[in-house]
Amino acid sequence: QVQLQESGPGLVTASETLSLTCSVSGVSISSYYWSWVRQPAGKGLEWIGRISVDGITNFSPSLTTRVTMSVDTSKNQVSLKLRAVTAADTAVYYCAKYGNVKGGFDLWGQGTLVTVSS
Amino acid sequence: SNVLTQPPSVSVAPGQTASITCGGSNIASKILHWYQQRPGQAPVLVIFDDSDRPPGIPERFSGSNSGNMATLTISRVEAGDEADYYCQVWDTDTDFWVFGGGTKLTVL
Repeated sequence: QVQLQESGPGLVTASETLSLTCSVSGVSISSYYWSWVRQPAGKGLEWIGRISVDGITNFSPSLTTRVTMSVDTSKNQVSLKLRAVTAADTAVYYCAKYGNVKGGFDLWGQGTLVTVSS
Repeated sequence: SNVLTQPPSVSVAPGQTASITCGGSNIASKILHWYQQRPGQAPVLVIFDDSDRPPGIPERFSGSNSGNMATLTISRVEAGDEADYYCQVWDTDTDFWVFGGGTKLTVL
């Protein structure tokens, strides 16, 4: 059974870096693309970016200057770093997998809430 | 860049048909997906490639995409269908994913 599990600090201080990890079980991360999506409380879904194991990355234009993504094939994990966070970055953060554009995000993690405090 | 427009809310009585729209410029040329998000849960893919259903999604869920409008149709609506629904496309001009603003489906 394929599962995605996000983890990381639930509280981050403003101006610092948010770091999250998506641990993947049941499938090799090498076979798919991986995206991060966030959702502020009561609001819609916002795509953050994507990465493939061969290093292809694309980021949302609104976040591209602050985002880094990486993969660790030895641990079967995908990571997200968001620098210089503000209260506006407070959200539930999801990781999701897809095989290609045509298939959609066929599996999501349960999400993890990150709160930015001042 | 793509902007996907969804109505904020749709209401329907149980047993009736709900139609949720997703508007965008020449959206029919895009590959479009739909997600269901129940309160407190992660999104779930319910329609991919405009009109295909993943395994486990009831046949009551169907999709279409034509011109500047895509539609998610839910037949014989049940109380358990009450959720937020999001459309999504891949913007081939800019190489990023775009989500619609979401539609809250209320079952009366």
